Amino acid sequence: DTEVTQTPKHLVMGMTNKKSLKCEQHMGHRAMYWYKQKAKKPPELMFVYSYEKLSINESVPSRFSPECPNSSLLNLHLHALQPEDSALYLCASSPPRGPVTEAFFGQGTRLTVV
Amino acid sequence: DQQVKQNSPSLSVQEGRISILNCDYTNSMFDYFLWYKKYPAEGPTFLISISSIKDKNEDGRFTVFLNKSAKHLSLHIVPSQPGDSAVYFCAASASSSSNYKLTFGKGTLLTVNP
Repeated sequence: DTEVTQTPKHLVMGMTNKKSLKCEQHMGHRAMYWYKQKAKKPPELMFVYSYEKLSINESVPSRFSPECPNSSLLNLHLHALQPEDSALYLCASSPPRGPVTEAFFGQGTRLTVV
Repeated sequence: DQQVKQNSPSLSVQEGRISILNCDYTNSMFDYFLWYKKYPAEGPTFLISISSIKDKNEDGRFTVFLNKSAKHLSLHIVPSQPGDSAVYFCAASASSSSNYKLTFGKGTLLTVNP
């Protein structure tokens, strides 16, 4: 199993809604990431979890709240988002640091905030 | 300050010819480099990587070359196929860092014409 699975694939939410994005991997990877990608831009790192602990928060607004319940799951809780938060949200995972450090990405969740 | 630069936003080549995508970096701490391919509305797919202890890595039609002194790497695709048409992102990481962060370039849109 070399997949990172993200659900849902598409999400439309209002500015007062609370929703969650989910990510799952069963490759034994101990680093998991959330990236945000706007059209025609590179992925921008939001959060990194290493061994289920938050190791990087790239100054992301508190309306985005990550959670890592276990080594296979990563959630991103969304609350009171703005229309400019509409983007493709990508989850990724990578093996423990060593000679090989490729990050495997999921298909992404296309989020639209209305 | 952009630490990973892909100065060509787009590249167009004929099927069967060689595609050469370029990437420059400024951070001397980067010692691991990756290329990702991305189709619209999908997550990036890992293609090939190279460690700074090497100057070349080959995988089928894809070869990555690294010139450490020039802080430059390139991805060669030969022969190019129409299915290779996608956005290609160069990414870099520093193994000395404990935070697993990948820094992406802005991407190059490759179009392979039949």
